[in-house]
Amino acid sequence: DTAVSQTPKYLVTQMGNDKSIKCEQNLGHDTMYWYKQDSKKFLKIMFSYNNKELIINETVPNRFSPKSPDKAHLNLHINSLELGDSAVYFCASSQDRAYGYTFGSGTRLTVV
Amino acid sequence: GNSVTQMEGPVTLSEEAFLTINCTYTATGYPSLFWYVQYPGEGLQLLLKATKADDKGSNKGFEATYRKETTSFHLEKGSVQVSDSAVYFCALNSGGYQKVTFGIGTKLQVIP
Repeated sequence: DTAVSQTPKYLVTQMGNDKSIKCEQNLGHDTMYWYKQDSKKFLKIMFSYNNKELIINETVPNRFSPKSPDKAHLNLHINSLELGDSAVYFCASSQDRAYGYTFGSGTRLTVV
Repeated sequence: GNSVTQMEGPVTLSEEAFLTINCTYTATGYPSLFWYVQYPGEGLQLLLKATKADDKGSNKGFEATYRKETTSFHLEKGSVQVSDSAVYFCALNSGGYQKVTFGIGTKLQVIP
């Protein structure tokens, strides 16, 4: 049973399209995150939800909108995709800051 | 704000060599410190952690000691294997809601 699962694993789409990435965790954690990893492996936090409430909203274009229907799910919707959005997007969850994160396996988004 | 500094790499070692990847940090309060490992094509996995000064985290032959006086958390392994080839991220967490600050990642290549 995968602890943090993301779908899809790969996503290739054209500029201007709208796409969604889904994330689910079965660990019972209260907090979930979206991170973006660029081609140089640099990780940048985008959003975080705690019990369905948005608690971290970094400087991210308005085209990105997270949604958390319940504490086990955190989805990411991206409007009007641009070439610069190409990256690997990771979902993660945690329960306590002392225990660290559990990451999903990532969604590789390629915008052409 | 918080920051984590680690060598960019790549670090190339022969099998059975000794590994050190340096990590220093800047943070307010008493952060928890982590090392994560990312194997090719996968998400990040928590490798080890330490939550207070002088704690030693260890896992799979890797060790790191929380040094508050030098604000460091260097990763070491006595004898690396080809299977250890991956990107290693140092990270800290000192704020509420578990916002984690990651270093840039250090790529390790182990050659037979």
